[in-house]
Amino acid sequence: DAGITQSPRYKITETGRQVTLMCHQTWSHSYMFWYRQDLGHGLRLIYYSAAADITDKGEVPDGYVVSRSKTENFPLTLESATRSQTSVYFCASSERRASNVYSNQPQHFGDGTRLSIL
Amino acid sequence: SQQGEEDPQALSIQEGENATMNCSYKTSINNLQWYRQNSGRGLVHLILIRSNEREKHSGRLRVTLDTSKKSSSLLITASRAADTASYFCATGNTGTASKLTFGTGTRLQVTL
Repeated sequence: DAGITQSPRYKITETGRQVTLMCHQTWSHSYMFWYRQDLGHGLRLIYYSAAADITDKGEVPDGYVVSRSKTENFPLTLESATRSQTSVYFCASSERRASNVYSNQPQHFGDGTRLSIL
Repeated sequence: SQQGEEDPQALSIQEGENATMNCSYKTSINNLQWYRQNSGRGLVHLILIRSNEREKHSGRLRVTLDTSKKSSSLLITASRAADTASYFCATGNTGTASKLTFGTGTRLQVTL
């Protein structure tokens, strides 16, 4: 089915462990994003990618690593998980448009990964 | 830092009533978008209004944009129980190409 899928939906791990959250989209969208959602903070951008092999930091990148070897996949890795990284993580994608005036295209979201770090 | 701030944080209305949510932002924008999030799900795009537009409609949704006041409103007419969700505004800012900055959301409860 077309769309954007995240896995796993739920994950419990311990502090200090490495954990990778997966994101896969079938639209061939150029842009992909990772957000975390916490009460009182709304959605905060962690990392984003404009194309394969092009990634850039968002608002809260510390403690996270991303890669994008293929257009359709954008995994997010917590190299050494901390309790403060307990959150709901959302992946999103959007198209690239030629016009710069009307950029910031609508984003399409996965259903999230609820990550608990004990 | 948050660009958009929604008001109110929570809103409870009865089915059939109209719901109005407001969003304020700080910097110049390319466009402003509204999203809905049902409990336990991802955000779903509802409507996009460009910086040179003042009003836009989509079904029961009406969005206004006042760039001089740096504010937007989302009106949902004739609310239904299925409209119960959190609603977020997101701004596409000049010079940031693909990125959106989200507000903290308004939680809407529509009761029968």
